[in-house]
Amino acid sequence: EPEVTQTPSHQVTQMGQEVILRCVPISNHLYFYWYRQILGQKVEFLVSFYNNEISEKSEIFDDQFSVERPDGSNFTLKIRSTKLEDSAMYFCASSERTGGNEKLFFGSGTQLSVL
Amino acid sequence: GDSVTQMEGPVTLSEEAFLTINCTYTATGYPSLFWYVQYPGEGLQLLLKATKADDKGSNKGFEATYRKETTSFHLEKGSVQVSDSAVYFCALSDRRSWGKFQFGAGTQVVVTP
Repeated sequence: EPEVTQTPSHQVTQMGQEVILRCVPISNHLYFYWYRQILGQKVEFLVSFYNNEISEKSEIFDDQFSVERPDGSNFTLKIRSTKLEDSAMYFCASSERTGGNEKLFFGSGTQLSVL
Repeated sequence: GDSVTQMEGPVTLSEEAFLTINCTYTATGYPSLFWYVQYPGEGLQLLLKATKADDKGSNKGFEATYRKETTSFHLEKGSVQVSDSAVYFCALSDRRSWGKFQFGAGTQVVVTP
C-alpha cells in the first residue's frame, strides 16, 4: 500500500528556533493535512491544504505556523519560533478527496522536542 | 464543538479474549465515524468506518456499529491476537469539513500470549 513519508522521525531544537517538518504525501493525493499529538493528549487537527491554499485551520495554527507545498512532492510545516509547548508528535496525512468521508493516510510522525 | 470520548487504557487481555473499546461522540451535524489503529513505530491506519446511523464497519475481525440513539461507535473483536496490540483511536469527521477529524485520546491494547 502507498505510504506517506515524514522526515525526520525525531527533531530536537532550542526554544525560539525555527523548524521545518517535511512530508511526502501519496503521489496522486490532492488534500494534505497536519495533525499533532502532545504526549498523553488527543491527536489534534492543525491544518488542511488543497490547491496550494489552506482550506481550514484550527486555533492552534497561529501566525507561528505555516505550510507550504514547495514542489510537486513535498508538503512542509514550519514553526517560526518554537515554544516548549510545541513539543509533540506531528503527523502528516493526505487523501484523494474530502467531504467528511475521506480516508486519510497518515505518516509515522515526527517527534519534535523543544528544549 | 464536536468531540470524541473513548475509554482509557491500557487494556490488557489474553489472546483469544473478547475486546471492546467504548467510544461516544458529540456532534452538531451528521458525522462519519472511524476507528484508526497505530502499531508501534507506525502512523495511524484506517481500521474501519461508518458514514450513517446503523451502518456497521468491519475489517480484520473488528466491528463497530454507528448508533445515533446512544451516540456511540464501540469497537469489538471476538478473539484478539498478539498482533492486535496497538493504540486504537476513535474519530469523527463532519461532511462540511476538510479532513478535520476529531480524535479520541486513544486506547492502548496489550494482548498477551
